[in-house]
Amino acid sequence: GAVVSQHPSWVICKSGTSVKIECRSLDFQATTMFWYRQFPKQSLMLMATSNEGSKATYEQGVEKDKFLINHASLTLSTLTVTSAHPEDSSFYICSARVWTGELFFGEGSRLTVL
Amino acid sequence: KNEVEQSPQNLTAQEGEFITINCSYSVGISALHWLQQHPGGGIVSLFMLSSGKKKHGRLIATINIQEKHSSLHITASHPRDSAVYICAAPDNYGQNFVFGPGTRLSVLP
Repeated sequence: GAVVSQHPSWVICKSGTSVKIECRSLDFQATTMFWYRQFPKQSLMLMATSNEGSKATYEQGVEKDKFLINHASLTLSTLTVTSAHPEDSSFYICSARVWTGELFFGEGSRLTVL
Repeated sequence: KNEVEQSPQNLTAQEGEFITINCSYSVGISALHWLQQHPGGGIVSLFMLSSGKKKHGRLIATINIQEKHSSLHITASHPRDSAVYICAAPDNYGQNFVFGPGTRLSVLP
């Protein structure tokens, strides 16, 4: 099946720094990518929907200046957590939707902000 | 907004048992997804189905569009099946997905 690669799988950073997470579709073109956040033992929470070549659509309550999303090509979307704080520590995961409607997920990125 | 519910929340089974996880949703949809999330966090898409039944190995997924209900069955369960199983349905606009709370399955040897 299709593969979505997410990098890095885990990252530790200091408070105030920015962290970039990449989501890459390896063998297909993804017109739409989704970014989620997941707290321990909770389900996925959609943060934003990213369409190639256009601005991301953010869910209510998600700060677009805090979580910068760029979908520069049909195979790459990036999430940048700017000026990270300890409360941003979480598990971030992306998914890509192909034209059939199927969803493929990245492996996730665990962010710890000290 | 589409509401997605799952039952049970937690399930412990002995190796070899037949397992059923249920999912119900409130708004009619075109297709539903079943996902598997391993302890490390990675998510695998198991099924996307819009009607009837699909089978892949020991996994079977069924959906009843009229009743807005889907089930995921695991036959001859194995400890490696231990994971969180999540169903996901499109939201009202069909653009994004609404995820169920997940069912945490533990299969004991």
